[in-house]
Amino acid sequence: AQSVTQLDSHVSVSEGTPVLLRCNYSSSYSPSLFWYVQHPNKGLQLLLKYTSAATLVKGINGFEAEFKKSETSFHLTKPSAHMSDAAEYFCVVTLPGGNQFYFGTGTSLTVIP
Amino acid sequence: NAGVTQTPKFQVLKTGQSMTLQCAQDMNHEYMSWYRQDPGMGLRLIHYSVGAGITDQGEVPNGYNVSRSTTEDFPLRLLSAAPSQTSVYFCASSYAGLAGGPGTGELFFGEGSRLTVL
Repeated sequence: AQSVTQLDSHVSVSEGTPVLLRCNYSSSYSPSLFWYVQHPNKGLQLLLKYTSAATLVKGINGFEAEFKKSETSFHLTKPSAHMSDAAEYFCVVTLPGGNQFYFGTGTSLTVIP
Repeated sequence: NAGVTQTPKFQVLKTGQSMTLQCAQDMNHEYMSWYRQDPGMGLRLIHYSVGAGITDQGEVPNGYNVSRSTTEDFPLRLLSAAPSQTSVYFCASSYAGLAGGPGTGELFFGEGSRLTVL
């Protein structure tokens, strides 16, 4: 079975400081992993995805994530937070060819001016 | 670029009423799905389809029906609304990978439909 655990339900950072949103996954096979962002009252937008190519994945808006198989982690980072980064972030896992995406419960990021 | 379009954006129902949430995509995606989003629970899959005429249940299918008569449309029907179905509903589509599933492709989301059942 596949699942993801987002270790923090809320993260608060000051503008200009680094962002770290943590995600651990459980999968019997080589998974595909995604990070999505949801701004208030909006749909979800893909930030980045890992699909068994390079383990360090770069996404939009300066975000990146590193796939660490030994730690079953896929943490999302950004060197310097911007006010516009305030949103809900979801870690998602699926199997190649699978029919279901499994979502974490989300991490709410607050950016303090 | 319409992408995934959901209607209505907001709806209030009384217990026992029925309604249909509409979803249409113009990307020729074979895979379409419906999720509900509840506070602290992430997104949970209700039903999905890997092509016209093919549907299957997700994690929380009870109380919902779907059909897929065309590639573009994937309506979600609430047969007899209950307060427990108060939620935000998202439709999402993707191209089909190997074995007909979404594969490693990303999901494209609509902007959501907020449903309140009184």
